[in-house]
Amino acid sequence: SQKIEQNSEALNIQEGKTATLTCNYTNYSPAYLQWYRQDPGRGPVFLLLIRENEKEKRKERLKVTFDTTLKQSLFHITASQPADSATYLCAPGFQKLVFGTGTRLLVSP
Amino acid sequence: EPEVTQTPSHQVTQMGQEVILRCVPISNHLYFYWYRQILGQKVEFLVSFYNNEISEKSEIFDDQFSVERPDGSNFTLKIRSTKLEDSAMYFCASSEFTGKEETQYFGPGTRLLVL
Repeated sequence: SQKIEQNSEALNIQEGKTATLTCNYTNYSPAYLQWYRQDPGRGPVFLLLIRENEKEKRKERLKVTFDTTLKQSLFHITASQPADSATYLCAPGFQKLVFGTGTRLLVSP
Repeated sequence: EPEVTQTPSHQVTQMGQEVILRCVPISNHLYFYWYRQILGQKVEFLVSFYNNEISEKSEIFDDQFSVERPDGSNFTLKIRSTKLEDSAMYFCASSEFTGKEETQYFGPGTRLLVL
């Protein structure tokens, strides 16, 4: 069955640093991979979508890479801010989204 | 900015009772979804709905669950006979149907507690 793995341990970083989150998937060859942000008690909010033929995609301080050989996506937040503190979810594909457990990011001032 | 809305925000019910969770998707969207998230666990897909019929459903979406688009704006999830394990946050989402990659827009969720 499809398996999505994200680091379940929280990532603690200092404001201004770059946060890097990892998403690994198995038994799956998605044409797309999406990243969402989820705040406690709220619904996921779409951040970025990357296609299998794109190596990298950027949006403001966010950058996503997609390595279909390694079956891995990396999500970077540069110049991180305390407001970036949230849980970040990856979801290969679209329509029927299969989410990972998410990685909680804590950015301290 | 258009958004998905859900009502109620919280629902408490007794085991065995029927509940209906309501969603108003974004108005020009054609694809609708329900997901659930048990406390502390991941967001799980339940069902997708397009053109007035279910397009895909997960193993979780058994005969106790049903979805309906009763009018031009609402999208509902019914649980016929709730169980304790149905306690979760239920999220509705919608997307345009362009045939290409699509962003899903999620609502704020309904927190369901079954006692």
